[in-house]
Parts: sequence; C-alpha cells; structure tokens
Amino acid sequence: AQSVSQHNHHVILSEAASLELGCNYSYGGTVNLFWYVQYPGQHLQLLLKYFSGDPLVKGIKGFEAEFIKSKFSFNLRKPSVQWSDTAEYFCAANNQAGTALIFGKGTTLSVSS
Amino acid sequence: DTGVSQDPRHKITKRGQNVTFRCDPISEHNRLYWYRQTLGQGPEFLTYFQNEAQLEKSRLLSDRFSAERPKGSFSTLEIQRTEQGDSAMYLCASSPRIGNEKLFFGSGTQLSVL
Repeated sequence: AQSVSQHNHHVILSEAASLELGCNYSYGGTVNLFWYVQYPGQHLQLLLKYFSGDPLVKGIKGFEAEFIKSKFSFNLRKPSVQWSDTAEYFCAANNQAGTALIFGKGTTLSVSS
Repeated sequence: DTGVSQDPRHKITKRGQNVTFRCDPISEHNRLYWYRQTLGQGPEFLTYFQNEAQLEKSRLLSDRFSAERPKGSFSTLEIQRTEQGDSAMYLCASSPRIGNEKLFFGSGTQLSVL
C-alpha cells in the first residue's frame, strides 16, 4: 500500500542548529514528493516539491530536501533554524498519475531562542 | 479573500446526528480534496473531485461519509449518524489542474461529537 512515514515525532532545537527531518515513502512507479508546513494557527502550506530532475530541491525560507531513490527517502534540511521555524512539518507523496496526496504523520519542530 | 473557504469553522453535535460541511475552493481550481486530521496525525485523505466527478472515494471512512460537488464548484461532506470517533478537523484543499499538486488548504472545520 502507498504510504509515507516520518521518523521523528517531535524535534527540539536551539536557534542556529542544523535540522534534518526524515521522510520515507512506499510507492510503486514514479513518485512526486512534497513537504508541507503548518505554522501555529495557520493553514498548511507548501514548502517545496520534487517532481523530476535535480534530486536536491530548494524551497522557501532556506529549506531544502534531497530525493534519494535508492533509499526511498526525501529528507528535509535547513542549515540554521530560526525561532520562527517552529511548526509542524508534513511529508507527502503521490504518483505521477496524479492521484491524491498521501501525508505522513508529521513532525513537530520546536525551536528555542 | 480568494483562498479556500470552509464553513462552519466549528461544529458541536450529539452522537447520532447528521452533519454537513461546506467547502468553497479557489474559483479557477478544478480539483478539490477532503482530508481529516486528528491531533498528532497528518492529514488523512478521504476523497477528491476533478470538477464534478468524484475520482476516489474508497478511502472514505465508512458508508456514513459521503461527499458531493454537484456543479464542479463548492463541495459538501456529510457524516450521517455521527460517532465520537468522528471528532476531528476536516480539511478541504483545492489545486489548479492535474499534475500540479500544490494544494491550497482551508482553515478546516473542527467537529466535536459529544
């Protein structure tokens, strides 16, 4: 069955620390991958996406993610987090037939100043 | 406001009652999705529409759940004979076209079943 798993439920970092959130997917065929973010009190919004091409994709606010096909992974990274990055982060995937996005359970990131 | 609009924002109901939620997508978006989210979990896909056609409904949680998008614009999600386990945030999202899966989410309807 198609699924997305996120390894970390809650991550706590100090400002300026580096961030890496894990995401693995289970999909047959070609897959599209996404990271969404939900800041406190706000809607879910797209952070970045990978469809094809360069496996290192850059998103908004200094985030990037790397697609590693051999590991079925799409980990999210940021070299130096800020307090304003405190949010819930969701990895999501669908296949290129355009089926609906399936989300992981999410990772809560808490950044202390 | 040109975002995705959901109504109501909150709904409190007694077990066994029927509830209906409405979603108005961004006007030029032809795909509309319903998700459910409970505390500590990611959005759980329920169903989606391409214009007025419901393309996937096998993930609706039971036959008590149904969704419509009669004219390809707004959509409704109905839950019949609500149960306490239905308590959750129900999210609607829309996207412009096939292959562009940037979803624009609404604020959701928080359902509490007493």
